[in-house]
Amino acid sequence: AQSVTQLGSHVSVSEGALVLLRCNYSSSVPPYLFWYVQYPNQGLQLLLKYTTGATLVKGINGFEAEFKKSETSFHLTKPSAHMSDAAEYFCAVSDRGGGFKTIFGAGTRLFVKA
Amino acid sequence: DTGVSQNPRHKITKRGQNVTFRCDPISEHNRLYWYRQTLGQGPEFLTYFQNEAQLEKSRLLSDRFSAERPKGSFSTLEIQRTEQGDSAMYLCASSINRAGAKNIQYFGAGTRLSVL
Repeated sequence: AQSVTQLGSHVSVSEGALVLLRCNYSSSVPPYLFWYVQYPNQGLQLLLKYTTGATLVKGINGFEAEFKKSETSFHLTKPSAHMSDAAEYFCAVSDRGGGFKTIFGAGTRLFVKA
Repeated sequence: DTGVSQNPRHKITKRGQNVTFRCDPISEHNRLYWYRQTLGQGPEFLTYFQNEAQLEKSRLLSDRFSAERPKGSFSTLEIQRTEQGDSAMYLCASSINRAGAKNIQYFGAGTRLSVL
């Protein structure tokens, strides 16, 4: 079985500060890992993904994440927060052995202070 | 390509009524997924289709829920005899399942159901 744990349901940063959203996963097979962003009353937008190859992946809006197998982590970072980054962020793992259904974490709400 | 489309965006219904939601996937995508998201939680898997075949259903999907994808294109999710606990956002996603495609799922904007 696969699972995702996001550490911190709420994270608050100042505009221009580093954004770090933490995600740990468990998987019995090599995982596909994702970060999605959700703005209020909207669906999920894919920020970035790790499937195979380079463990540091870059996504949209200046976000990046690093797959660390030894730590079973896939933390999301952005060097400088912008007000428009305020949203809910979901880390997810895809079950490659079970139809690719996606298991989501509970989400982290990012607040950006001016 | 307009992405995954879900209708309606919002649905308010009275307890005991039946509701049906529609999802139109990205045109060449052969896989279609339904998820449910309650307030403050991540989406939870409900069911998925490969073309017209429903390949898996979650235990979350009670007998009051039924999903179809009759021609392997759009899908409907019906909830019979709605209960207040059914209030949630229902998300649809689609992907293309072929070698090398990585099965990246693209999500629609969701249908928000409120059961009064």
